[in-house]
Amino acid sequence: GENVEQHPSTLSVQEGDSAVIKCTYSDSASNYFPWYKQELGKGPQLIIDIRSNVGEKKDQRIAVTLNKTAKHFSLHITETQPEDSAVYFCAASIEGSARQLTFGSGTQLTVLP
Amino acid sequence: DSGVTQTPKHLITATGQRVTLRCSPRSGDLSVYWYQQSLDQGLQFLIQYYNGEERAKGNILERFSAQQFPDLHSELNLSSLELGDSALYFCASSVTLAETDTQYFGPGTRLTVL
Repeated sequence: GENVEQHPSTLSVQEGDSAVIKCTYSDSASNYFPWYKQELGKGPQLIIDIRSNVGEKKDQRIAVTLNKTAKHFSLHITETQPEDSAVYFCAASIEGSARQLTFGSGTQLTVLP
Repeated sequence: DSGVTQTPKHLITATGQRVTLRCSPRSGDLSVYWYQQSLDQGLQFLIQYYNGEERAKGNILERFSAQQFPDLHSELNLSSLELGDSALYFCASSVTLAETDTQYFGPGTRLTVL
């Protein structure tokens, strides 16, 4: 089955700096890659996703890039703010798998004021 | 607020017991997913239902079962509970099974087995 690895497990940045989280996946049949943000005591919330037919997607301060050849994708957050502090999860889904998501192990992002 | 509701928020029980977790999907969503989140295993897919029918199974133990009712709410039943079953259990829902569908997660049920 699919295996998703996520790095780093913890990341601290100064407010205003950029943060980058990287994930690799194992199954070349994966075609959907969402990123979720989980705040303490809450469920994961989708922040951005990308499908395998595009290489990059942006939504204000958040961007995701996908390299299908290398089987890795990354989350980029610019101009970080204290409210960006949370655990971020990447995930991958294989076409035809009824949207079964395989998650990475998570990255605890701390934005220092 | 994702629109997915889960009850109860917290559940404390003893080993060997049985519990039922409940999920109401977002209005209009036909598909329901159950996930388990633990410190050592991370977020793991358990099972998925679509319009009342089981569609996919992940790492779900035989002691666990689920169903989706005609009103589309779903229940996850955990029996013969063990200490290792302590975890956060999330329900997610999506409109259909289409490639473009987003999964929206509920707030979770924290299960503690003593």
